[in-house]
Amino acid sequence: DAGVTQSPTHLIKTRGQQVTLRCSPKSGHDTVSWYQQALGQGPQFIFQYYEEEERQRGNFPDRFSGHQFPNYSSELNVNALLLGDSALYLCASSLSGEETQYFGPGTRLLVL
Amino acid sequence: KQEVTQIPAALSVPEGENLVLNCSFTDSAIYNLQWFRQDPGKGLTSLLLIQSSQREQTSGRLNASLDKSSGRSTLYIAASQPGDSATYLCAVPPLNQAGTALIFGKGTTLSVSS
Repeated sequence: DAGVTQSPTHLIKTRGQQVTLRCSPKSGHDTVSWYQQALGQGPQFIFQYYEEEERQRGNFPDRFSGHQFPNYSSELNVNALLLGDSALYLCASSLSGEETQYFGPGTRLLVL
Repeated sequence: KQEVTQIPAALSVPEGENLVLNCSFTDSAIYNLQWFRQDPGKGLTSLLLIQSSQREQTSGRLNASLDKSSGRSTLYIAASQPGDSATYLCAVPPLNQAGTALIFGKGTTLSVSS
């Protein structure tokens, strides 16, 4: 049983560009959450998707958007990239109503 | 607004030593508390989840305790090994909500030398 997978593993972009990160949840999970982890910091919640809708959102600007597909996989899109968007982006999946979240290995984004 | 703090930020110990990592949170109205492990540049692995009604949870050499009234949790690691070297993070759901966003501390980076 594959766990949570994310692609790509690493990405380099320049300021002003747009990026799309992808996440496949653990088998049987229907809820996907995205987190941003800057170097030396704990992960910060971006948003959560359930039944293809954004259910909850953290304190991130509208440049950060997402999508969940019918197969429960998810994308995180970031527009107009800033240097400060450089971070490890983590995806976590869970089954709605259950508390344990399973994290993927992350996508390391570097904005130059 | 819930805030999570972890002390110390870094810890170095020799192999075999018992150690305690600390986590504090500002709002005691939590649903549960989780401890995670993160290896450098990697994702998070859940170690222990303590429900608000519980006082502690154990898994192998790990024991986590929870004192809601004082807003504190500790992670006790017995007989530490070099393979325990990693960053340990604690996290709580915001304001007594389950299954939603987690609020993390910055973590404690543990180094165990052989």
